[in-house]
Amino acid sequence: NAGVTQTPKFQVLKTGQSMTLQCAQDMNHNSMYWYRQDPGMGLRLIYYSASEGTTDKGEVPNGYNVSRLNKREFSLRLESAAPSQTSVYFCASSARAGPLHFGNGTRLTVT
Amino acid sequence: ILNVEQSPQSLHVQEGDSTNFTCSFPSSNFYALHWYRWETAKSPEALFVMTLNGDEKKKGRISATLNTKEGYSYLYIKGSQPEDSATYLCAFKDQGGSEKLVFGKGTKLTVNP
Repeated sequence: NAGVTQTPKFQVLKTGQSMTLQCAQDMNHNSMYWYRQDPGMGLRLIYYSASEGTTDKGEVPNGYNVSRLNKREFSLRLESAAPSQTSVYFCASSARAGPLHFGNGTRLTVT
Repeated sequence: ILNVEQSPQSLHVQEGDSTNFTCSFPSSNFYALHWYRWETAKSPEALFVMTLNGDEKKKGRISATLNTKEGYSYLYIKGSQPEDSATYLCAFKDQGGSEKLVFGKGTKLTVNP
């Protein structure tokens, strides 16, 4: 049982490049989330999706787009990467009213 | 804007000490309060999901209480061990009907042997 799988694990981008972070879960969860983790800031919510076909902005959505492709997959896209988006990104999923299950994280560096 | 505050920011204790820390959240429109344990170089793992005022949950030496009327939750660790060293996060969900879950910045616990 894989749980929540994120790819890639590491990525280096130049300013202005684009990329998509992939996330998939095999627990049949309705809700999925993207967080970023920065030193001293804890986990900040970028976007979330309460069900297939719906997405909502979190605390720090600027510079990102998301797609809830189906119930399993929730991708995060950076259209034009900026150094301020250097961070560790975590995808998570949950059943309604349940705890979050996190992926292993993606360490992104934008130079 | 949902404001979730955790204190202290960091804590150093000796092995065998008992310790506790606080999570404060909006007292109106409460739906759920989560606690997570986050070890360095790993992903956060859920400890508790608490929904009822007065709730008390326990997992081994770790327990948590919840006061939704005044907007706080305490996490207690009894007889701390070096393996308890981690960052402890709380997260709040309000009753707005969305699945939005907002985290505090965490309390970093270091247990010295």
